[in-house]
Amino acid sequence: QLQLVESGGGVVQPGGALRLSCAASGFTFRSYSMHWVRQAPGKGLEWLTNILYDGSNRDYAKSVKGRFTISRDNSKNTLYLQMNSLTVEDTAVYYCARGALAGTKGVGFASWGRGTLVTVSS
Amino acid sequence: DVQMTQSPSPLSASVGDRVTITCRASLNITNHLAWYQQKPGEVPERLVYAASTLQSGVPSRFSGSGSGTDFTLTISSLQPEDAATYYCQKYDVIPWTFGPGTKVEV
Repeated sequence: QLQLVESGGGVVQPGGALRLSCAASGFTFRSYSMHWVRQAPGKGLEWLTNILYDGSNRDYAKSVKGRFTISRDNSKNTLYLQMNSLTVEDTAVYYCARGALAGTKGVGFASWGRGTLVTVSS
Repeated sequence: DVQMTQSPSPLSASVGDRVTITCRASLNITNHLAWYQQKPGEVPERLVYAASTLQSGVPSRFSGSGSGTDFTLTISSLQPEDAATYYCQKYDVIPWTFGPGTKVEV
């Protein structure tokens, strides 16, 4: 069955960097766009970034543009999020979510990972 | 960017009540709207997409409606297990912005 499993979270100091991974299984990963969404403690959901199925296009929320980079390795069925220049405001659970099948319009997120917690603290 | 707002929040209602949550987009998003339910400590689950299409497996007491800028999620008969926070999300174009959420207390 479809699975998305995030990893790489942890505690990092302000100004530091972290790379998150999302291992996908149970579907044809290379055929889907993928997204990252985060949720700060006690707060709502924030869409962060997406990458097309073939990596040809990436978009970012203003809050992370220039600091975060999304990438994917379709040979490893894995999505990544490189996070640099982290601040305490980046403390959150980070979820990966499956987007649209190539050639189709998205309809939101039917599939989410369980998330990985990133804590930015000195 | 299009802004998403939700009302009310929070919302307190009793078992059996009909509950309506409103989501408003700052610009026309046609029907490119999804609703999610998130219970404490759990992953969000999609309830509705395309504004009114119920996700498979979601109880029929949930329904979505609206188009353009105004949307509603209705729970026809509130159940104890419906206590959660509900989010709308637009997905017409990037960014796929979420609303701030509506906490429903039963």
